[in-house]
Amino acid sequence: SQTIHQWPATLVQPVGSPLSLECTVEGTSNPNLYWYRQAAGRGLQLLFYSVGIGQISSEVPQNLSASRPQDRQFILSSKKLLLSDSGFYLCAWARQGGNQPQHFGDGTRLSIL
Amino acid sequence: GENVEQHPSTLSVQEGDSAVIKCTYSDSASNYFPWYKQELGKGPQLIIDIRSNVGEKKDQRIAVTLNKTAKHFSLHITETQPEDSAVYFCAASKGSNTGKLIFGQGTTLQVKP
Repeated sequence: SQTIHQWPATLVQPVGSPLSLECTVEGTSNPNLYWYRQAAGRGLQLLFYSVGIGQISSEVPQNLSASRPQDRQFILSSKKLLLSDSGFYLCAWARQGGNQPQHFGDGTRLSIL
Repeated sequence: GENVEQHPSTLSVQEGDSAVIKCTYSDSASNYFPWYKQELGKGPQLIIDIRSNVGEKKDQRIAVTLNKTAKHFSLHITETQPEDSAVYFCAASKGSNTGKLIFGQGTTLQVKP
């Protein structure tokens, strides 16, 4: 069966520090991968998606970047965090081809001080 | 652009009653509609989905209906239980091979014992 792992589960970082959040998927190959941010009590905002290794599409202009160095690894990064980067970050995967369910990890709660 | 509107934003029912959440989408190319349940501090979990060639789908106490002409789809939960309390999200496919989903803003369901 397929599983998705995100870490860390929680993170507290000072303003201006770098960020690296990692997501890995097991049990499937060549998945579509997604990064979302969820503000408290709000919906899901798609940040990045990837349909293959090294292929990253950005949905909104922001202080963050994403990379996909391996087929089942998706990384969310920042060189300098802003207060506004606080939130709940979720990674998801789906089978290729569209019209497929996305399967989510349990997220990383990021607090910027 | 494409969007999904979800109502109500909050819903409180007595245990044993039914709950209905409604969504409206704008992209006529959407043909896949999943529903997710998100518990506190967790990622959203797929609970049921429906494709455009089907008008209704049922899984035990959960059912989803789709009206493509009106661009409406709804989630029905019967015989609600306290453990059904969570935030529920509807979503619609974006009609491309990227597998992107457009999410509603969520409904907080509270089932009172």
